[in-house]
Amino acid sequence: TQLLEQSPQFLSIQEGENLTVYCNSSSVFSSLQWYRQEPGEGPVLLVTVVTGGEVKKLKRLTFQFGDARKDSSLHITAAQPGDTGLYLCAGALDSWGKLQFGAGTQVVVTP
Amino acid sequence: GAVVSQHPSRVICKSGTSVKIECRSLDFQATTMFWYRQFPKKSLMLMATSNEGSKATYEQGVEKDKFLINHASLTLSTLTVTSAHPEDSSFYICSARGVGRYEQYFGPGTRLTVT
Repeated sequence: TQLLEQSPQFLSIQEGENLTVYCNSSSVFSSLQWYRQEPGEGPVLLVTVVTGGEVKKLKRLTFQFGDARKDSSLHITAAQPGDTGLYLCAGALDSWGKLQFGAGTQVVVTP
Repeated sequence: GAVVSQHPSRVICKSGTSVKIECRSLDFQATTMFWYRQFPKKSLMLMATSNEGSKATYEQGVEKDKFLINHASLTLSTLTVTSAHPEDSSFYICSARGVGRYEQYFGPGTRLTVT
């Protein structure tokens, strides 16, 4: 069983639509990171959240860390084909520990 | 900033041979580097954590004698797959974490194919 439950596993939407990806756990994380990965490449860091209730925006992407630091969400507004990729959430149980990865959400945005 | 490189990007080797993969942090010092393995359409599986100048810590089920990790400097870690077999074929990705930082920055990955 994975420590971080990520949902949905797969999301296919049309350009211009909105989408939300969720990451949930029963554990408290000291920090949580979101990555996007394209086929044949390594994950690229999008954001790090460390404070409960924190909201960070990166252009059309909005990241939220739950108040209890057990869950997080990624919301994309007006998705574009360039947003296509595998989105991974990863949390650290302690500040300098290893990352626990979610199973990933494959997002496909069609023109 | 925070660029991590891996070399080679692709390697094909014959069964029984050994393959070395290098991971370098190009513009920062990495006290800790991590090695992951990724199967098609799956998430990353941590293999081991290496701290500069000390022995790597392997995850349960990962054979330390098969996957040799060396972290000789603050910018370089190597993973050697010894006596490779077809089941070792996979996408291997390293990441590096800088001094006092939470984030891990990933390399571009190495596609290993064992024939």
